[in-house]
Amino acid sequence: DGGITQSPKYLFRKEGQNVTLSCEQNLNHDAMYWYRQDPGQGLRLIYYSQIVNDFQKGDIAEGYSVSREKKESFPLTVTSAQKNPTAFYLCASSGTGAYTGELFFGEGSRLTVL
Amino acid sequence: AQSVAQPEDQVNVAEGNPLTVKCTYSVSGNPYLFWYVQYPNRGLQFLLKYITGDNLVKGSYGFEAEFNKSQTSFHLKKPSALVSDSALYFCAVRSTGANNLFFGTGTRLTVIP
Repeated sequence: DGGITQSPKYLFRKEGQNVTLSCEQNLNHDAMYWYRQDPGQGLRLIYYSQIVNDFQKGDIAEGYSVSREKKESFPLTVTSAQKNPTAFYLCASSGTGAYTGELFFGEGSRLTVL
Repeated sequence: AQSVAQPEDQVNVAEGNPLTVKCTYSVSGNPYLFWYVQYPNRGLQFLLKYITGDNLVKGSYGFEAEFNKSQTSFHLKKPSALVSDSALYFCAVRSTGANNLFFGTGTRLTVIP
């Protein structure tokens, strides 16, 4: 079945460590997104990519990095510079130029910093 | 700039009663409006969207939403609530030419048996 796969579902990290969250899609979508979800704050955009080898910062990019080497993959690295990384992270995708199209979401990755 | 307001953090409704989850928006240009639902520890699922045309939009699981341009609202409705509708609901907006969706803070719907 087509969809978005995020891994791992749960991740624990010690302070000062970088971690990478995986996001893979087989929907043949050009655009991919990373959102952060915190209780009572809705979803906030971290990074997005509309095409391979190109990506843009969202509203809260500080302390995060991404790459887009393949159409299917958009990994997110949470670096030690991120001051409060404990959160639920959601990856999404949508079709090219599809401003009217909905986003398709993965099941999320919950990161806890110990 | 674009923004979305969901004025109610929590909505409680009895099973079988109609439900409404409110959403208002602010964008420059024409809005593209969306509703999503999220169950605990899961990703968001698309319910419905308004792009253009009929102001009443029908979506998944019996939900519908009405676009009201003069009131800049896009309230989610369902004629008869089910216990299984209990979840977190997000309204989202994208303005013409914008690259991403902007989400509201969410409304937790509880349907009481």
